Amino acid sequence: DADVTQTPRNRITKTGKRIMLECSQTKGHDRMYWYRQDPGLGLRLIYYSFDVKDINKGEISDGYSVSRQAQAKFSLSLESAIPNQTALYFCATSDLLAGDTQYFGPGTRLTVL
Amino acid sequence: SQKIEQNSEALNIQEGKTATLTCNYTNYSPAYLQWYRQDPGRGPVFLLLIRENEKEKRKERLKVTFDTTLKQSLFHITASQPADSATYLCALGDDYKLSFGAGTTVTVRA
Repeated sequence: DADVTQTPRNRITKTGKRIMLECSQTKGHDRMYWYRQDPGLGLRLIYYSFDVKDINKGEISDGYSVSRQAQAKFSLSLESAIPNQTALYFCATSDLLAGDTQYFGPGTRLTVL
Repeated sequence: SQKIEQNSEALNIQEGKTATLTCNYTNYSPAYLQWYRQDPGRGPVFLLLIRENEKEKRKERLKVTFDTTLKQSLFHITASQPADSATYLCALGDDYKLSFGAGTTVTVRA
């Protein structure tokens, strides 16, 4: 079984809709991250969490919110989706003691019409 | 603001040759630098980590160098194989997070 899973894998939604992307991990890591990837721009950090009570904004948090329901679960919400949020979204986990290597999920391809 | 630049052009090489990728950065003093591999439609996969006090790291056919004076890392794939075809991302890290470059796509011709 995959260590980091994301649901859904693909989603098409309409402008103005609320949508939630979910991430679960079995690696036992405290740190979790949400990124978006756009062609030519690389991965950009949206939010990160170092434990259940510690959530931090990344470089592009506007229009997004997150919830860390448990050590193993980290959800990303788009409160009112807009077309320029169309992208590939990745969740990742890491363990600082292991050099902070990040382990990525398979990604969610989100299209906002 | 910090900036991370990787080879802007895709790299096409013949099987058996060495691929060399560059990662340059400005306005940043990372504690370490990592390289990841990403296949189409998949999440990045960690390859190598090198810390600011290290000059070179090797893993099988991969070698990475880190020059904090030049603010540059070089990533080498020796004896390249078609299976090495992918996009390679460099990432600069501190105690809190990684910042990624846009990646360089490598295609190895048989």
